[in-house]
Amino acid sequence: NAGVTQTPKFRILKIGQSMTLQCTQDMNHNYMYWYRQDPGMGLKLIYYSVGAGITDKGEVPNGYNVSRSTTEDFPLRLELAAPSQTSVYFCASRTQGFPGELFFGEGSRLTVL
Amino acid sequence: SQKIEQNSEALNIQEGKTATLTCNYTNYSPAYLQWYRQDPGRGPVFLLLIRENEKEKRKERLKVTFDTTLKQSLFHITASQPADSATYLCALISNFGNEKLTFGTGTRLTIIP
Repeated sequence: NAGVTQTPKFRILKIGQSMTLQCTQDMNHNYMYWYRQDPGMGLKLIYYSVGAGITDKGEVPNGYNVSRSTTEDFPLRLELAAPSQTSVYFCASRTQGFPGELFFGEGSRLTVL
Repeated sequence: SQKIEQNSEALNIQEGKTATLTCNYTNYSPAYLQWYRQDPGRGPVFLLLIRENEKEKRKERLKVTFDTTLKQSLFHITASQPADSATYLCALISNFGNEKLTFGTGTRLTIIP
């Protein structure tokens, strides 16, 4: 099992460009999440999904979009990138029931210049 | 508003001593609390969870306590080793809307040989 796989690991974008961060998991988890992590700020939830076709906003969804067409994949779309979106992005998944430990990917470091 | 605070950004402990990290929360009714370890450049990794009706949980050299009256969890590493150096994150999940985990800001622990 590969667990949670994120691509790309690093990316530099210019202001106004768009891109998609890919996330796939092979554990058949229903729940998937996107967090961003800024220095000293902890993990902030961007979007989450409780199953294919169902997504919902977290704390900081502005400037992002997601889709969940399959159980395995949960891509995060950045439209019109801004310097404030410079961050490390983590995708995570878990099973539906309690206690629901999160399994994280290795992260995608994004810089917007 | 809901808030989760971890006692300090950084903590330095002498090797062999017990490291104690604190997680405080306000305006929250957690069903359970989880602790994660994060190494530089990696995603967080689950360590332990404790439920609201449990006072204490142990796993090898790790111990977690949960005081819902004080709204606080303590995370202890006994006989600390340099390999324990990492950032430690607490995360809470509520009884209601339990799809989401909310993370604290993290404490960077350094064990000094």
